[in-house]
Amino acid sequence: NAGVTQTPKFQVLKTGQSMTLQCAQDMNHEYMSWYRQDPGMGLRLIHYSVGAGITDQGEVPNGYNVSRSTTEDFPLRLLSAAPSQTSVYFCASQESWGETQYFGPGTRLLVL
Amino acid sequence: SQKIEQNSEALNIQEGKTATLTCNYTNYSPAYLQWYRQDPGRGPVFLLLIRENEKEKRKERLKVTFDTTLKQSLFHITASQPADSATYLCALPPNNNAGNMLTFGGGTRLMVKP
Repeated sequence: NAGVTQTPKFQVLKTGQSMTLQCAQDMNHEYMSWYRQDPGMGLRLIHYSVGAGITDQGEVPNGYNVSRSTTEDFPLRLLSAAPSQTSVYFCASQESWGETQYFGPGTRLLVL
Repeated sequence: SQKIEQNSEALNIQEGKTATLTCNYTNYSPAYLQWYRQDPGRGPVFLLLIRENEKEKRKERLKVTFDTTLKQSLFHITASQPADSATYLCALPPNNNAGNMLTFGGGTRLMVKP
């Protein structure tokens, strides 16, 4: 199993540009999440999904959209990038509630 | 609202000693607590989960305690090695213990010197 994969590993955007961060898992997990990690702020939940077709907002959802059309994929879309979205983004999956979360390797995003 | 606190200052210890990291929480009655390890440039990796009815849990050189009265978890690494150097994160479910929303502490960086 590849586990949780994320692409790209690193991206530079200009303010106002849009992009999609890809996340895929091959463990048939129902739950998937997106976090951002900033120095001194820890991991903060952006959006999450408890199954295909079901998504919900986390702590810091503004400026991001998600969709979950399949169990495997959970892309994160930045609609109009802002410098405040410069961060490291982690995707995670888990089999069900209360279980271990498996994280991807992260995407480092720089917005100029 | 719930709050999780981990010592933001790095913990420096000598190889072979026991490292003890603290996770305190407020406004919480979590059903469980998890500990993760994160190396630079990588995603967190799960280490241990302890449930509210468990006082202590062990895995090899790792030991976690969970005191629901003090609202505190302690994470111990015995016979520490330089390879244990990393940031350690604690995580809890939301206050209603529902959903997928793990909340993470800011993490404590551990440095083990040879």
